[in-house]
Formats: sequence, structure tokens, C-alpha cells
Amino acid sequence: DAGVTQSPTHLIKTRGQQVTLRCSPKSGHDTVSWYQQALGQGPQFIFQYYEEEERQRGNFPDRFSGHQFPNYSSELNVNALLLGDSALYLCASSLVGNPGNTIYFGEGSWLTVV
Amino acid sequence: LAKTTQPISMDSYEGQEVNITCSHNNIATNDYITWYQQFPSQGPRFIIQGYKTKVTNEVASLFIPADRKSSTLSLPRVSLSDTAVYYCLEDMRFGAGTRLTVKP
Repeated sequence: DAGVTQSPTHLIKTRGQQVTLRCSPKSGHDTVSWYQQALGQGPQFIFQYYEEEERQRGNFPDRFSGHQFPNYSSELNVNALLLGDSALYLCASSLVGNPGNTIYFGEGSWLTVV
Repeated sequence: LAKTTQPISMDSYEGQEVNITCSHNNIATNDYITWYQQFPSQGPRFIIQGYKTKVTNEVASLFIPADRKSSTLSLPRVSLSDTAVYYCLEDMRFGAGTRLTVKP
């Protein structure tokens, strides 16, 4: 039973560039959430996708956008990268209707903006 | 902004029981409380989840009082490998985390 998988694991981008991160949810899950975790900080909620639509959003600018595909996988896009976007980006999946809506995390994608 | 508050750090010794408390001053009626463990450079790992009273699994217990304004994660007989950051989660939002250091 595959858990949440993310790619790439590490990448380096230049300020102003755009990046796309990818996530495959845990088998049987239909909801994907994205988090940003800066060094030494707790994960910050970016947004959640269900049925290919953004359902909830945290306090992040429009430069952060996402997509969910019919197979439930998801992408996180960040435009016009800033140095402050350097962080670990975590994907989590869950199943709607599951009591507590427990989310399970992947190992993350490390983004460094230079 | 995080809705929860938890201690920044705690120290313990091997074999002791550790209790980490999180405050949930504005928890919604339908929100569950979930705790995660995170090691450096890894994603958070699910530990336990509850709504009220007491929940126990093979690694931890979770105590939630009737007013649900707080939750306490209890780790029995910790070992060096339990050194990690522990987070409480409410409504998709994480607390700042408690860095637990277990000493020999």
C-alpha cells in the first residue's frame, strides 16, 4: 500500500522563476492538502483540493496555485519565486467522510530559491 | 495563524512518561484533535487522534477533557528515538510544535 509520494525531493530555483511540485496521494484517498514548512517552523497550511477544486485556503498569496487531477494526484505551482519561498513543501492526503479526516504526509520536496 | 498553543520544548529521560499539552481555545464543534511526530528532514508522522475523553493506541494516549479546550499527548516510557518535534493539529492548522529531547 503506497503512502503519499512527492517529487522532486530536492530542487534549486532562481528568484523570479516558477516551480511545480507533484504529489500522489495514499491509495484510497481522494483529498490532497499542501503545506509549507520553513526551517525551524511548523507546517503552514497552503490549500486543500477535493474533487479537482480548491476547498480551503490558508494565508498564502495568489502566486501559490494548485491543481488536482481525476486520479486524485495534485500539483503545487509557485510563480515569481522569492527567496522567502525556500522551504520544505509537504503534501498530505486524506479521505473525505473518514471520521477526523486524518491526513497522512509525504516526505516533502525541498525547494531552495537563490 | 495557528489556533493552538503548546510548549516550545521539553526534556525527559529514557524510561519516563512524557505528557505534552496543547491548548485549543477556539476549537470548532466538529474538529478532531490530531498529534504528529516529526524528525528532521522528514514529513510529519501520524501518532493519534481523538475527539473527546481518552484514546489509546500502541504508541501513545490522548486525553481530551469535556470542554475540549486542551489535549494532552502521553508517551509512555520514552526512548532516545522519541527525540523529535511533536505537533498538535486542529482544523488543518498546526501548532508551533514541542521539541522533545530524551536524554540517556
